[in-house]
Amino acid sequence: DGGITQSPKYLFRKEGQNVTLSCEQNLNHDAMYWYRQDPGQGLRLIYYSQIVNDFQKGDIAEGYSVSREKKESFPLTVTSAQKNPTAFYLCASRPGDSGANVLTFGAGSRLTVL
Amino acid sequence: ELKVEQNPLFLSMQEGKNYTIYCNYSTTSDRLYWYRQDPGKSLESLFVLLSNGAVKQEGRLMASLDTKARLSTLHITAAVHDLSATYFCAVDLLWRNTGKLIFGQGTTLQVKP
Repeated sequence: DGGITQSPKYLFRKEGQNVTLSCEQNLNHDAMYWYRQDPGQGLRLIYYSQIVNDFQKGDIAEGYSVSREKKESFPLTVTSAQKNPTAFYLCASRPGDSGANVLTFGAGSRLTVL
Repeated sequence: ELKVEQNPLFLSMQEGKNYTIYCNYSTTSDRLYWYRQDPGKSLESLFVLLSNGAVKQEGRLMASLDTKARLSTLHITAAVHDLSATYFCAVDLLWRNTGKLIFGQGTTLQVKP
């Protein structure tokens, strides 16, 4: 079945450590996204990529980095510069061309800083 | 800057009642999406509204779009407990070729027996 796989599902990090969240899709989608969700709040866009080897900052990119070396993969690194990284992180993808263009979401990764 | 605002943010209602969730956005867009999120889970697509006047219905939920007013509504008819979840609207800036999709804050719906 086609879909988006995020790993790990739960992650604990000590302050000062970088961590990388994995996002892999087998939907042949061009565009991929990372969102952050804090308790009781909406989704805020961190980074997005419309094509391989290209990505753009979203509204809250500071303290995060991404790469898009392959169409199916869009990993997110939460760096030590991110002051409040505890959150639920959602990866999503969509075809990227015109049309309905519904986002498909992964199951999410919950990051907790100890 | 595009802003997407939902109201109310929290809604507690009795089973069998009707209610409407509103989604206002600040810039031109012809595409609007509604998603549902259950606690601790990911988001599930409910509706895609692609043009002014679009109306979509699925079961007890009906979504509409007024692009001139920059307003979308999600109407709940005769609510049941299974509809308890958080509902998000999202606005697409694809027409600007940015690929950006911005979400509202979400409306948490609690349906009581």
